[in-house]
Amino acid sequence: KAGVTQTPRYLIKTRGQQVTLSCSPISGHRSVSWYQQTPGQGLQFLFEYFSETQRNKGNFPGRFSGRQFSNSRSEMNVSTLELGDSALYLCASSSRASGYGYTFGSGTRLTVV
Amino acid sequence: GENVEQHPSTLSVQEGDSAVIKCTYSDSASNYFPWYKQELGKGPQLIIDIRSNVGEKKDQRIAVTLNKTAKHFSLHITETQPEDSAVYFCAASIASGANSKLTFGKGITLSVRP
Repeated sequence: KAGVTQTPRYLIKTRGQQVTLSCSPISGHRSVSWYQQTPGQGLQFLFEYFSETQRNKGNFPGRFSGRQFSNSRSEMNVSTLELGDSALYLCASSSRASGYGYTFGSGTRLTVV
Repeated sequence: GENVEQHPSTLSVQEGDSAVIKCTYSDSASNYFPWYKQELGKGPQLIIDIRSNVGEKKDQRIAVTLNKTAKHFSLHITETQPEDSAVYFCAASIASGANSKLTFGKGITLSVRP
């Protein structure tokens, strides 16, 4: 069974640009969550999508947005990038059948210069 | 909201010894407590989890205990091996059909000395 796939693995962007990250969940998982991981703040919740609807949102500015498609694939977008947005962005999928345990992807390493 | 604290931030043990990592949580409504292991360059991997209706759970060399009254839970690794060296995260959530948001601790770096 394929795991959670995140693309791309690495990105380098310039301040002020925007970026889109992609996540393909495990087949059959309808819930997709996004986390930002930094050395200082650890794993911080961005948002969760279920059946194309955002049902939870963390404390991030509106520059961070996301969406989920009918096939459960999800994207997150960060506009007007700042240096502080440099982080590992992790996507995780889960399902009622999995007991709500998250399966994480390997993440997208975003560097803003 | 939920707050999960994890102490200490680093732990070093000799190969073959046991390691215990403790976490506390703040929301008494939390009912799901997973532990994740993260190796360099990889995403966190679920290694064991426990629900609030269970006090202890074991899986080979790994066990987790939960004390709902004190609102803390612990990860126990016996007979540690060098490949156990990684960052370990605890988390808590109110798992339900409408929510699966996890709140994570800051993580602990476990080093197993050969």
